[in-house]
Amino acid sequence: AQKVTQAQTEISVVEKEDVTLDCVYETRDTTYYLFWYKQPPSGELVFLIRRNSFDEQNEISGRYSWNFQKSTSSFNFTITASQVVDSAVYFCALGAQGGSEKLVFGKGTKLTVNP
Amino acid sequence: NAGVTQTPKFRVLKTGQSMTLLCAQDMNHEYMYWYRQDPGMGLRLIHYSVGEGTTAKGEVPDGYNVSRLKKQNFLLGLESAAPSQTSVYFCASRPQGSIYNEQFFGPGTRLTVL
Repeated sequence: AQKVTQAQTEISVVEKEDVTLDCVYETRDTTYYLFWYKQPPSGELVFLIRRNSFDEQNEISGRYSWNFQKSTSSFNFTITASQVVDSAVYFCALGAQGGSEKLVFGKGTKLTVNP
Repeated sequence: NAGVTQTPKFRVLKTGQSMTLLCAQDMNHEYMYWYRQDPGMGLRLIHYSVGEGTTAKGEVPDGYNVSRLKKQNFLLGLESAAPSQTSVYFCASRPQGSIYNEQFFGPGTRLTVL
C-alpha cells in the first residue's frame, strides 16, 4: 500500500523567513513518482513539481526548492524568503508505475505567511 | 482551451435528494478522476476512469456512482445525498501513459447536504 505523510498540519511564519514542508512516503514499488501541489485560498489546485524515483537530483525554481532523498523516503519542499502570496495549503502526492493509475495525497500542510 | 471545468460551482441539497456533478475537459485526456476534499483529510479518490466507457473505484466510492459515456465528460452522481457527503469535490484529468503525467484539476464544486 502507498502512503504519504505530511506531519505538519499547520505552519505559521513571518514574511522573509525560510520554511520547509515535510513529506514522507511509503511504497513497495521501485518506480514511483512524487508531486507537490499548491492550493491557495481561492481553492484551485496548482501543480508545482514532479519527480521520478530514479532522479534524486534536487531542484530549485526561484524561491522554491525540493530535496528528494530515497534513503529517508522524503521529498521535502523549501520556500526561501517566504512571501504572503505563499500562504496556501500544500499537498504532496505519490503515484506508482505498473497498473496503478492513481495518486495518493497527503493530508496537506497549511502555510500562513504573516506580513 | 478551458482545461477542466466543473458544473455546478456550489450546491445545497437536502438529505435524500439526488444530483449529478459534471466534469468536462477539452484536452483529449484519457484519464479522469473524482476526488473529495474534507478538512484535515487531504484529497481522497472517489472513482476514476482510464478511458471512455470505463470506470473504477477509488478509496471512498460508497454512495457515489460515475459514468464516462463520452471521453471529454466524467459524471459523478449522488443517488441519495447524506450529510457525510458535504465536501468540496474536485475533478482531474491527465493524458494517457505514465502516472508521471501531471493531473490537471478543475476549480471544484462545494456541496452542502443538510
